[in-house]
Amino acid sequence: AQSVTQLDSHVSVSEGTPVLLRCNYSSSYSPSLFWYVQHPNKGLQLLLKYTSAATLVKGINGFEAEFKKSETSFHLTKPSAHMSDAAEYFCVLHNFNKFYFGSGTKLNVKP
Amino acid sequence: SQTIHQWPATLVQPVGSPLSLECTVEGTSNPNLYWYRQAAGRGLQLLFYSVGIGQISSEVPQNLSASRPQDRQFILSSKKLLLSDSGFYLCAWRGIYGYTFGSGTRLTVV
Repeated sequence: AQSVTQLDSHVSVSEGTPVLLRCNYSSSYSPSLFWYVQHPNKGLQLLLKYTSAATLVKGINGFEAEFKKSETSFHLTKPSAHMSDAAEYFCVLHNFNKFYFGSGTKLNVKP
Repeated sequence: SQTIHQWPATLVQPVGSPLSLECTVEGTSNPNLYWYRQAAGRGLQLLFYSVGIGQISSEVPQNLSASRPQDRQFILSSKKLLLSDSGFYLCAWRGIYGYTFGSGTRLTVV
């Protein structure tokens, strides 16, 4: 069975501090994994994707994620949060032409 | 470059009324197209996907239907809306560099 679990529905950090958004997955096959961001009143934007190449994936806006097969995790990180990072983030698993979305994590960045 | 257009951005419809949301893609041919819904407090749910004209796969039983009358056009419809159809609807297409989403339609059924 395929599924994605985002462990935190809300995360709040101060500007300039690190960001960690957690994602665990379940997949019977080698998955492709993505992180998307959705800003208010905007469409979803791809941050980064893992497709069985390097396990540490670098994305846009300073975000990166590490694929850990032993832990079935694909956590999203950023060393220093910026106010513009406040948005909702979705972890997504893709297999055989189907998407499996996490429930999303809302990131709040405090000044 | 490839772009995806989705309209309208917001829609308020009474219960029992019909629905038609349109999505078009430019700059590519024979794209894989998808309709998703995000209900309040929940993640995105795949509703339909299409790999070509007239080819529709439905992921969940529901009050909605989809059609693909042209290669780059994907339409989400309902004959009679329910209150539970309220939500945020997203069209997406898959290209060689990954997935691109439209800007979404916020549907409120009253």
